Amino acid sequence: QTVVTQEPSFSVSPGGTVTLTCGLTSGSVSTTYYPSWYQQTPGQAPRTLIYSTNTRSSGVPDRFSGSILGNKAALTITGAQADDESDYYCVLFMGSGFPVFGGGTKLTVL
Amino acid sequence: QVQLQESGPGRVKASETLALTCTVSGGSISGYYWSWIRQPPGEGLLWIGYISYSGSPYYNPSLKSRVSISVDTSKNQISLRLSSVTAADTAVYYCARVPVGDLHLDYWGQGTLVTVSS
Repeated sequence: QTVVTQEPSFSVSPGGTVTLTCGLTSGSVSTTYYPSWYQQTPGQAPRTLIYSTNTRSSGVPDRFSGSILGNKAALTITGAQADDESDYYCVLFMGSGFPVFGGGTKLTVL
Repeated sequence: QVQLQESGPGRVKASETLALTCTVSGGSISGYYWSWIRQPPGEGLLWIGYISYSGSPYYNPSLKSRVSISVDTSKNQISLRLSSVTAADTAVYYCARVPVGDLHLDYWGQGTLVTVSS
């Protein structure tokens, strides 16, 4: 069974740039997986950041961007701010058509 | 503005059936997929399943034998039923919308915590 992988945790300095990735235990991520990214702070519902690899959801600052890097989907935060400290989840639509969440990345800004 | 609101019992006894409803306001059910997602306390997100506005459901294989999702277009509601629950089913349950042809979750409900008690 193919699993969607994310870094469990990451740290970035305020104003810095960080790239979170979303991969597969078997195979490469491509645009056909419709990668999307969600931000979640404690006690809140997730917020949609990026969909269809690199389309920003309405109201999302342009410091968030999505791409394919090598064999993974990637979320890059440029000029990180304190309120970017959150959990980030990716979703891939697998070949079966069923969507699967990655395990999430806990981002610390310090 | 589209809004999704989950409702249902906050506590269910083990071995019984969990039943939740998601009411959609500010928009139509037609033209979208409607999803249920859950998050156990302190853990990640799990997609339970989704249903098209025409009523064709797709379930997570890990839950398929116990889950049922249905849609009532007359009431703008989507329902979730999960049978034979155990403590492992304790979670915040979210409903969310997926635009057909642009596969992502664009609107989310606020979520509702369901605790399974023995």
